[in-house]
Amino acid sequence: AQSVTQLGSHVSVSEGALVLLRCNYSSSVPPYLFWYVQYPNQGLQLLLKYTSAATLVKGINGFEAEFKKSETSFHLTKPSAHMSDAAEYFCAVSGDTGRRALTFGSGTRLQVQP
Amino acid sequence: DAGITQSPRHKVTETGTPVTLRCHQTENHRYMYWYRQDPGHGLRLIHYSYGVKDTDKGEVSDGYSVSRSKTEDFLLTLESATSSQTSVYFCAISAGNTHTDTQYFGPGTRLTVL
Repeated sequence: AQSVTQLGSHVSVSEGALVLLRCNYSSSVPPYLFWYVQYPNQGLQLLLKYTSAATLVKGINGFEAEFKKSETSFHLTKPSAHMSDAAEYFCAVSGDTGRRALTFGSGTRLQVQP
Repeated sequence: DAGITQSPRHKVTETGTPVTLRCHQTENHRYMYWYRQDPGHGLRLIHYSYGVKDTDKGEVSDGYSVSRSKTEDFLLTLESATSSQTSVYFCAISAGNTHTDTQYFGPGTRLTVL
């Protein structure tokens, strides 16, 4: 069984400030973790993914995430927020080798203030 | 975008009517998925397919059926739509043959059941 918890349904930062979006997971098998971004009225776009090759994963648009097994976390960060980062972000876990579906967190809406 | 299209993109229907949503892909991916997105719940798996005529249920499959008669098409049917099925529906494909592979999502279908 797998689950994902995203702490904070809404996060607001100022332009240029650090972005930190939190994700904790639960998995009975080694997890593979993903961050997706959804802009208004669009589908989901992959930001980055962790597949055990390296614990610090770099993604698109300056985002990165660090896998911490001891904390069961996979938090998403960006050093300096841009107005264009305003969107909803979803953390997801895959560990089911059968159906290969993703289990998603409930999402965090990021607002960037000028 | 992995060549995924969904139709229709928007639909308004009445309670009790049947509805079919179509997902079409152009790259012969084996695994296809239907998710629904609701506020506060992220995306939840409805059904998935691992080949032509091979389908299985996800976590929220009640009231839905699927069919896959061709590799490229995956249909989601609401036999008798209810207001609780008002949602945004996303189709996805898995880009490879392992559970670490990225899922790519279609643009979504917004369904309103009155």
